[in-house]
Amino acid sequence: GQNIDQPTEMTATEGAIVQINCTYQTSGFNGLFWYQQHAGEAPTFLSYNVLDGLEEKGRFSSFLSRSKGYSYLLLKELQMKDSASYLCAANYGGATNKLIFGTGTLLAVQP
Amino acid sequence: DGGITQSPKYLFRKEGQNVTLSCEQNLNHDAMYWYRQDPGQGLRLIYYSQIVNDFQKGDIAEGYSVSREKKESFPLTVTSAQKNPTAFYLCASRGRYEQYFGPGTRLTVT
Repeated sequence: GQNIDQPTEMTATEGAIVQINCTYQTSGFNGLFWYQQHAGEAPTFLSYNVLDGLEEKGRFSSFLSRSKGYSYLLLKELQMKDSASYLCAANYGGATNKLIFGTGTLLAVQP
Repeated sequence: DGGITQSPKYLFRKEGQNVTLSCEQNLNHDAMYWYRQDPGQGLRLIYYSQIVNDFQKGDIAEGYSVSREKKESFPLTVTSAQKNPTAFYLCASRGRYEQYFGPGTRLTVT
């Protein structure tokens, strides 16, 4: 199968940094996405990595290692509004962009 | 405003009834997708369409049907053959590489 593994829950403190890890199977892999989803709402796109390395976008950064089947999402200067579920998704469909999603990591930011 | 709309936000049906969920986009995207989301599980792909008049089964297509007669529209029918239809249904369309999601329809079947 094409399992995507990420922690179920994490807790962090306002103003701190948190790293959410994601591992995936490398066979047939074409790229990795991170989405943010607040409870009861639609996922919103955060980042896309297709090459090895770090992509930085404001307070959020995402890292990919294709050889290790590993990615992480780094959130800096945490705010209360960052409390949400973070979904890791891998593209195994090439041009069809068929994504396999992890179960999501529920992040709770505490004061 | 460009985006994806899904209606209704909440839908209630009796067991044995077919129900159609609406998905419309004005982003001029060719590819569209339907997912369902259940508690404790990741999004699972039901059907996808790369172009008008063409669609493919996803990982959990049994009990569902779709049509793609217009570029803007990709309705999903949940049939009575779907054993566990109660879920949060999300429609998406694809831009350059990322998928954009609609607000979702929460379907409850009793």
